Amino acid sequence: EAQVTQNPRYLITVTGKKLTVTCSQNMNHEYMSWYRQDPGLGLRQIYYSMNVEVTDKGDVPEGYKVSRKEKRNFPLILESPSPNQTSLYFCATSIYQGSGYEQYFGPGTRLTVT
Amino acid sequence: SQKIEQNSEALNIQEGKTATLTCNYTNYSPAYLQWYRQDPGRGPVFLLLIRENEKEKRKERLKVTFDTTLKQSLFHITASQPADSATYLCALDPRSGGGADGLTFGKGTHLIIQP
Repeated sequence: EAQVTQNPRYLITVTGKKLTVTCSQNMNHEYMSWYRQDPGLGLRQIYYSMNVEVTDKGDVPEGYKVSRKEKRNFPLILESPSPNQTSLYFCATSIYQGSGYEQYFGPGTRLTVT
Repeated sequence: SQKIEQNSEALNIQEGKTATLTCNYTNYSPAYLQWYRQDPGRGPVFLLLIRENEKEKRKERLKVTFDTTLKQSLFHITASQPADSATYLCALDPRSGGGADGLTFGKGTHLIIQP
């Protein structure tokens, strides 16, 4: 079954404690992205990756890091989380389907930073 | 930068009627416009994509129109059902090549289909 998996699904942590949210896909898609979703602000892109070892900043990259060492994995790293990073995070992959790119989203990770 | 406007108020529609959602954008016209459905606590699910040179696209009970003159897309659900209740997101991709790096999402419209 084609899917995008994220772990953990829920996380409560404290300010400053480094954490990693993993994202894995089994669809062999080249493109992967991270988004955060906040009430009233909608979905905003954090980072994206066009392929292995190719990453770039999205609209709200401050406080986040990513890496793309393998095609299937795209972890999101918060080196020193702060309360303003409390949010719902989504990983997404996309592939060209002949008439454009469709994005496939993971189930989400709800992060609370106290 | 691209600004996208979707009706932030919930849209209440009676079952069986056609629901019409609006997506307006400013600045440049996107090469692609996409619609997603999102249920509470879940990731968005891709529904339809329409290109700038297409006026209309259909998929089962769904229809999307794209008017680059008005800078507007309309999303229609015909014969609506309570199971269609969800938040619907419009997303724009400004580049003809598409890809993961260019999508800008609207904040979504919450659709409620009343039985």
